[in-house]
Amino acid sequence: SQQGEEDPQALSIQEGENATMNCSYKTSINNLQWYRQNSGRGLVHLILIRSNEREKHSGRLRVTLDTSKKSSSLLITASRAADTASYFCATSSTGANSKLTFGKGITLSVRP
Amino acid sequence: GAVVSQHPSWVICKSGTSVKIECRSLDFQATTMFWYRQFPKQSLMLMATSNEGSKATYEQGVEKDKFLINHASLTLSTLTVTSAHPEDSSFYICSAPGLAGGPDTQYFGPGTRLTVL
Repeated sequence: SQQGEEDPQALSIQEGENATMNCSYKTSINNLQWYRQNSGRGLVHLILIRSNEREKHSGRLRVTLDTSKKSSSLLITASRAADTASYFCATSSTGANSKLTFGKGITLSVRP
Repeated sequence: GAVVSQHPSWVICKSGTSVKIECRSLDFQATTMFWYRQFPKQSLMLMATSNEGSKATYEQGVEKDKFLINHASLTLSTLTVTSAHPEDSSFYICSAPGLAGGPDTQYFGPGTRLTVL
């Protein structure tokens, strides 16, 4: 079963603009992660935020987590055409080596 | 960084045949690996957890006799799709938790696209 629900399902922006993607989940989590997938390729881990954290930054990425609302957002600042990909949130309910439950994904298109 | 490879990257087979997909952790050991399948424009669905030296754990609704998993070493897990049918055509992806990014970070293989004719 899928845990996360991202919105919007598709997002098209101009290069240089910021892209904000949201994810909601249903059950208690240990951590939430965001992954990126280029068409027909494997997934690349972007950032992990733990349940006791509220915000985290990595380069042009900023992720927030609101456990009271069971939601997370991923912000990509100053987007580039190379950011065009599908983005998935995934939740982990237990500790190390635990399985991930993925959301449906968001397709981001950045127009040059 | 931690690298996971898959082989083959794509395979086409006839209905009724079996196909083996390999997942290797190249620069780290993985006692656990995960197998997912992904249909076009959809998300990843976990099929099973592969455990080195013991039986795999399958998710509800996944036929263990159809999707055989063998985790024979700390760096290799294999998924065999037996008696493949066209509805098994999908993108199969494996992952392994790696210590480089912390034990909660998983490293994904590039995927194997299976087409059953």
